[in-house]
Amino acid sequence: DAGVIQSPRHEVTEMGQEVTLRCKPISGHDYLFWYRQTMMRGLELLIYFNNNVPIDDSGMPEDRFSAKMPNASFSTLKIQPSEPRDSAVYFCASSLPSGVGPGELFFGEGSRLTVL
Amino acid sequence: RKEVEQDPGPFNVPEGATVAFNCTYSNSASQSFFWYRQDCRKEPKLLMSVYSSGNEDGRFTAQLNRASQYISLLIRDSKLSDSATYLCVSNYGGATNKLIFGTGTLLAVQP
Repeated sequence: DAGVIQSPRHEVTEMGQEVTLRCKPISGHDYLFWYRQTMMRGLELLIYFNNNVPIDDSGMPEDRFSAKMPNASFSTLKIQPSEPRDSAVYFCASSLPSGVGPGELFFGEGSRLTVL
Repeated sequence: RKEVEQDPGPFNVPEGATVAFNCTYSNSASQSFFWYRQDCRKEPKLLMSVYSSGNEDGRFTAQLNRASQYISLLIRDSKLSDSATYLCVSNYGGATNKLIFGTGTLLAVQP
């Protein structure tokens, strides 16, 4: 079975440009998460969706970041305009719920973003 | 204070050694706990869940101490292939799927 698919795997862009990261979750998974990973701050939860509805976006750094999930098989994370401090690896993950708490997260391979 | 805190390491240990990682979480309402493993430049993957009674999976043992808000991972008979970053994870509090990751502990097993 295909896992979580992210694109692009690598992106290098210049400050001020718009960046769009894409994610296809595992079919049948109800939850989708966007995380950002840097050496200094580790993995930070940006936003998560349940059944395509954003549940918690308190981790989105500022208005330059937006995320959408128009259907169960696709999500985007957009940064506009991008800044050098946005350079990081952005991971998408999906999961099924498990009892009263979260189930196992399945991560994509990540999108490595460099903003010059 | 960070919601999930870990010693970043690195832990450099010889093959065959036993090594323990510790983690503390700040939200007493957290209910779910996990250890994830992340290889260099790869995505995190679930290593094991952590149950109140403690659980063991081969050479790996996880413990939870709710009173102290403390989670541990013990690796016995370390292998070279155990070299990775180990991430402690808890849900934010209550029955929520908001999973918070620690910054990870780097383990390097030496031949």
